[in-house]
Amino acid sequence: RKEVEQDPGPFNVPEGATVAFNCTYSNSASQSFFWYRQDCRKEPKLLMSVYSSGNEDGRFTAQLNRASQYISLLIRDSKLSDSATYLCVIPSGSSNTGKLIFGQGTTLQVKP
Amino acid sequence: EAQVTQNPRYLITVTGKKLTVTCSQNMNHEYMSWYRQDPGLGLRQIYYSMNVEVTDKGDVPEGYKVSRKEKRNFPLILESPSPNQTSLYFCASSFIWTSSTDTQYFGPGTRLTVL
Repeated sequence: RKEVEQDPGPFNVPEGATVAFNCTYSNSASQSFFWYRQDCRKEPKLLMSVYSSGNEDGRFTAQLNRASQYISLLIRDSKLSDSATYLCVIPSGSSNTGKLIFGQGTTLQVKP
Repeated sequence: EAQVTQNPRYLITVTGKKLTVTCSQNMNHEYMSWYRQDPGLGLRQIYYSMNVEVTDKGDVPEGYKVSRKEKRNFPLILESPSPNQTSLYFCASSFIWTSSTDTQYFGPGTRLTVL
């Protein structure tokens, strides 16, 4: 099993739709989880951090399921500007090793 | 302005010609890291540094060297580049809190082509 796995998509959704992506991980010792957004080969930028059960920021909600070892990202009321690739990032090993594993990314395309 | 800068942004070179990609951050971050991004493979960590004079291998360190003599700079060195090192490279930095690296700030990327 890969350390971090994401469905690459693309997910094609209409404006206003609700869409969710999952990211599964193999390291049960992970304590922190991140979702980054990347636009068209530009630098990734942090979208949300998840340290406990979940986090919400406006239209975006990230949830953590430790038992099943996955994190999810929910986007409500999708906008055209949400079109991007969403990267799941998880530390490798136990706390503070500095080694980070990125998922392959899930591509979202929001259409008018 | 808080930022991570990389130079050069674009580079075309030939096999075997040593090159250095510079990375500099002005946020006083302890942690710095280099990644390469390839289609279908996502971002893979090359090397990282938890502080000055402390560096560790990531997942794909072969063919690369790094140094961390100053807190703000973390250059990536390719002693003898080969075509399989053609890629998009990102440098990133962050603070380190008690239990994990914090938000990473990425540089704009360096697109390297090795002929």
